[in-house]
Amino acid sequence: DTGVSQDPRHKITKRGQNVTFRCDPISEHNRLYWYRQTLGQGPEFLTYFQNEAQLEKSRLLSDRFSAERPKGSFSTLEIQRTEQGDSAMYLCASSLGGNPGELFFGEGSRLTVL
Amino acid sequence: KQEVTQIPAALSVPEGENLVLNCSFTDSAIYNLQWFRQDPGKGLTSLLLIQSSQREQTSGRLNASLDKSSGRSTLYIAASQPGDSATYLCAVGNAGNNRKLIWGLGTSLAVNP
Repeated sequence: DTGVSQDPRHKITKRGQNVTFRCDPISEHNRLYWYRQTLGQGPEFLTYFQNEAQLEKSRLLSDRFSAERPKGSFSTLEIQRTEQGDSAMYLCASSLGGNPGELFFGEGSRLTVL
Repeated sequence: KQEVTQIPAALSVPEGENLVLNCSFTDSAIYNLQWFRQDPGKGLTSLLLIQSSQREQTSGRLNASLDKSSGRSTLYIAASQPGDSATYLCAVGNAGNNRKLIWGLGTSLAVNP
């Protein structure tokens, strides 16, 4: 499968715990995006990488959120000290160039914070 | 500030019907517009991408049109099938802030056999 893959698909955690999501983009894609989606809403932009550089970070992202793309390939999104309001689907997308180019999404990682 | 609206929010049609989903945006200075499909609890599948210089794109039974001057895009689905049941979202890439997309809330489509 050469699409965008995300892991884990579903994570259930207790409030206050840390969680990490991984995204493997389509191999030749240099741009990688993280979005968050809650039920009945469109995706909300979180952050964006071009290669290994994090070029933009939404003001929605508190200091508890951090994302990395150390070698310009896979990316991780970590949420520290999770809160119930963090419960959402976390979507990763990648694209090849463009401003923006055509985005290809993974299946998402659903987070449930108890 | 760009705003994207999709009407209707929900649509239920019998199998075989041709249908149109609407997407409107407030700022015509867009770079591109993309239509996605989302099944419940799943990620998004890219359907069609229209660049600002294009008027329409076609893929199989799907046709998307773009009218920048009126701030509208339509997604036409021909001969609808139950497997088309999903939420359809449009997203606009702004010319001025082109790293992220501005999203509509989607149209939830049910095609009844």
